[in-house]
Amino acid sequence: EIMMTQSPATLSVSPGERVTLSCRASQSVGGNLAWYQQKPGQAPRLLIYGASTRATGISARFSGSGSGTEFTLTISSLQSEDCAVYYCQHYKNRSYTFGQGTQLEIK
Amino acid sequence: QVQLVQSGAEVKKPGASVAVSCKALGYNFTDYYIHWVRQAPGQGLEWMGWLNPNSGDTNYAQRFQGRVTMTRATSIATAYMEFASLTSDDTAMYYCAREPRFGVVPPKFDPWGQGTLVIVSS
Repeated sequence: EIMMTQSPATLSVSPGERVTLSCRASQSVGGNLAWYQQKPGQAPRLLIYGASTRATGISARFSGSGSGTEFTLTISSLQSEDCAVYYCQHYKNRSYTFGQGTQLEIK
Repeated sequence: QVQLVQSGAEVKKPGASVAVSCKALGYNFTDYYIHWVRQAPGQGLEWMGWLNPNSGDTNYAQRFQGRVTMTRATSIATAYMEFASLTSDDTAMYYCAREPRFGVVPPKFDPWGQGTLVIVSS
């Protein structure tokens, strides 16, 4: 089973700053990676799929990059509404796995 | 508007089963997989399995095999997840989500249902 490790576990950032979240796979997953945002009391929302394609309606402040085992979600200029938990997810051989999440806090 | 609307909260006793429904609105039900994902209180997301509404085929995460059953009623565009032999560790929010069957690089879960809280307590 492929393990997905997200880092850091928690991040506190000031509004306007650039944020980089990391997701590492224990073996190559190619470009089969998505990112989700989950705010308290809400269902997750798709941000990025195919490692770098923004989902419909997602702000251009969010971007994804990487392939193989190393992936990054970048928020170019943090806003207060970005306070949430961010999860990466991979697909391989008909199965899916989520990372453990990164809690993003606003200073 | 594309939506997945789930059934209401459930309270079950240990050893019981629960059935959760997920009604698809605003799109062709058979063109998208339905996935089930659970989230225990304060914890992360855990994928449980998928259903192909076109064929009825399923694939379950290994840790849930033997306890979970995913089915559908295409005439009413509704997917169902039945989960048996419940314990307190199964207390969680259960979400359904759709994913295109064709033309995209998986994974792509979008949108998600609003969630169904299942509480297992004696």
